[in-house]
Amino acid sequence: NAGVTQTPKFQVLKTGQSMTLQCAQDMNHNSMYWYRQDPGMGLRLIYYSASEGTTDKGEVPNGYNVSRLNKREFSLRLESAAPSQTSVYFCASIPWGTEAFFGQGTRLTVV
Amino acid sequence: SQQGEEDPQALSIQEGENATMNCSYKTSINNLQWYRQNSGRGLVHLILIRSNEREKHSGRLRVTLDTSKKSSSLLITASRAADTASYFCATDLSNSGYALNFGKGTSLLVTP
Repeated sequence: NAGVTQTPKFQVLKTGQSMTLQCAQDMNHNSMYWYRQDPGMGLRLIYYSASEGTTDKGEVPNGYNVSRLNKREFSLRLESAAPSQTSVYFCASIPWGTEAFFGQGTRLTVV
Repeated sequence: SQQGEEDPQALSIQEGENATMNCSYKTSINNLQWYRQNSGRGLVHLILIRSNEREKHSGRLRVTLDTSKKSSSLLITASRAADTASYFCATDLSNSGYALNFGKGTSLLVTP
C-alpha cells in the first residue's frame, strides 16, 4: 500500500497562474484533508472532505477550491496564485477517531 | 485559530536526558494526538490518548492528559540524537466532525 500520495513534490508558480495539487489514498478512508504549513505556524486546515461528495471549509480556505473526485482522490486548486500562498501543502487521510496519515507534502513557491 | 499550543517553542538537550513538552487546548475533545516531523518531511503519528484516559505509554514515550486543565504532556525518555525533530499536538473538535487541529509545535534538538 502506498498510503497517501501527493503530486507534485515541488512547484514554482508565477503570480496569477493556476495549478491543481493532487492527492490520492489507497486505504479506503472516508475523510481527507488539505493543510498548509508555514514557518512557525504549524499546520492550518484549508479544506476537508468528510465523505465522497462533501467538502467543507477549514481555517484558511480563501484562495483555494477543492474537489473530491471519488473516494480515493481529493484535489486542491489554486485559481490565481499569490505570493502569500507560498507554503508546504499536506494532504491527509483520517479514519474517524484515529490517527492521520499524511502525504510527503508539496513545496509550493509563488513568485 | 489553532486549538492546541505547544510549550516550549524550542528545546535543546543532550543525549540521554529526558525531554518534556506540553500542549494546551481550548475546547472539549474526543482525543489528543502527538506527531513528529523531521525537517522537510511529512508528519508521523506517535501516540493517541482518548479523553477518558489519563496516561499512555509507547516505548520511550509517555503521554499524559488532564482534561480539567485542558493540557497534555509528552515525555521522551533517554533521548537520542535521532529524536531531533518538531513535535506537534493535535486535537479533534468534538462538535465539528473529525477535523484535526494542530499546534505550532515544539522544535527539539538533541545533541550528542
